[in-house]
Amino acid sequence: AQTVTQSQPEMSVQEAETVTLSCTYDTSESDYYLFWYKQPPSRQMILVIRQEAYKQQNATENRFSVNFQKAAKSFSLKISDSQLGDAAMYFCAHHLRKTSGSRLTFGEGTQLTVNP
Amino acid sequence: DTGVSQDPRHKITKRGQNVTFRCDPISEHNRLYWYRQTLGQGPEFLTYFQNEAQLEKSRLLSDRFSAERPKGSFSTLEIQRTEQGDSAMYLCASSLVKAIGGYYGYTFGSGTRLTVV
Repeated sequence: AQTVTQSQPEMSVQEAETVTLSCTYDTSESDYYLFWYKQPPSRQMILVIRQEAYKQQNATENRFSVNFQKAAKSFSLKISDSQLGDAAMYFCAHHLRKTSGSRLTFGEGTQLTVNP
Repeated sequence: DTGVSQDPRHKITKRGQNVTFRCDPISEHNRLYWYRQTLGQGPEFLTYFQNEAQLEKSRLLSDRFSAERPKGSFSTLEIQRTEQGDSAMYLCASSLVKAIGGYYGYTFGSGTRLTVV
């Protein structure tokens, strides 16, 4: 079974600064996807960034980037130039490539506060 | 297309009553998923459909829960004889999965918040 762990229940950052959210996962498989989702107070889960395990290059999406360490099973999210709109619950998630399109396994979430 | 729609947004019910939620996925998506999310936790998988076929059910989906997706379009999730422990946000998502060239990720709806009193 796959597990995902987010060890930081809450994080805060000053507007315009950088913050890193941590995620570790456990799987015996070698081919999988990893995701970061954002859930604002309106509750709709929004995909932030996605990483395919076979790709060594870390994914980036504008101000969002990941540090994917496959051997360590670590997948952290870096948010640069933080904005007030980044405040939300962030979830790390995982699923196997061979079961693409089936269940996602989520971590417990990290509540990010952005201070003006 | 306005994304994944869920109805109602909120539902308050008395213990023992039956409730039904509806999800309308993105029209071209062939897969539809249900997740349950309790306060302060990540979503937990309940079940998913490919077109009208229910392909996987979690052990969380007890006998009181049933999901359908007639005609492979919208889906309903029914909870019979609700219990206080059923109080949660029920999230629906959809995705497009192709036999070749794959998979484009989930789109989530805004959820239905169920409160059992």
